[in-house]
Amino acid sequence: AQTVTQSQPEMSVQEAETVTLSCTYDTSESNYYLFWYKQPPSRQMILVIRQEAYKQQNATENRFSVNFQKAAKSFSLKISDSQLGDTAMYFCALWPGTYKYIFGTGTRLKVLA
Amino acid sequence: EAQVTQNPRYLITVTGKKLTVTCSQNMNHEYMSWYRQDPGLGLRQIYYSMNVEVTDKGDVPEGYKVSRKEKRNFPLILESPSPNQTSLYFCASSPTGTVNTEAFFGQGTRLTVV
Repeated sequence: AQTVTQSQPEMSVQEAETVTLSCTYDTSESNYYLFWYKQPPSRQMILVIRQEAYKQQNATENRFSVNFQKAAKSFSLKISDSQLGDTAMYFCALWPGTYKYIFGTGTRLKVLA
Repeated sequence: EAQVTQNPRYLITVTGKKLTVTCSQNMNHEYMSWYRQDPGLGLRQIYYSMNVEVTDKGDVPEGYKVSRKEKRNFPLILESPSPNQTSLYFCASSPTGTVNTEAFFGQGTRLTVV
């Protein structure tokens, strides 16, 4: 079975601090992709960062970076210098090449002023 | 502007009254899909389409229908809505269904069935 697990339903962080959101996954596919999506109160699903499984280098997008541990099947998201606009629900997602995303249950992040 | 457009954004309906949620993309994407989002469950796939006239069931297809007569449109049909279909629905598209680059999501449709 292909699964994505986000074990932190809610988190909070002080503005300008760093926070890490956890995600573990399971798949038997060898070629897959991992994503973090952000869903602010507007409900729009916004791609934050993308990692291809065959690339060992961790993806980085400005203040957002991932720690991709392929053997451990772990894919955590680090947000540096947190901003109020980072307040949102964050979904970890797996694309195993089978015509669908497998989403985690989400982590609600609140950035405190 | 490249986008996926869903309509309506909000809908309240009564049990049993047929409804359609439209989805249109302007990126010439082959792959389109529908998801529903429920608290504590994340997003789950309802149906997907690999190209025109090619559709298949996702994880939670019961009570839904889809069609793909044109490449740009992928409507979601609820023939006889029930309260357990109250949810937030997303349409998404990608260039293909196999090699994934990024999925583009619509704005979401909040459906309430009373």
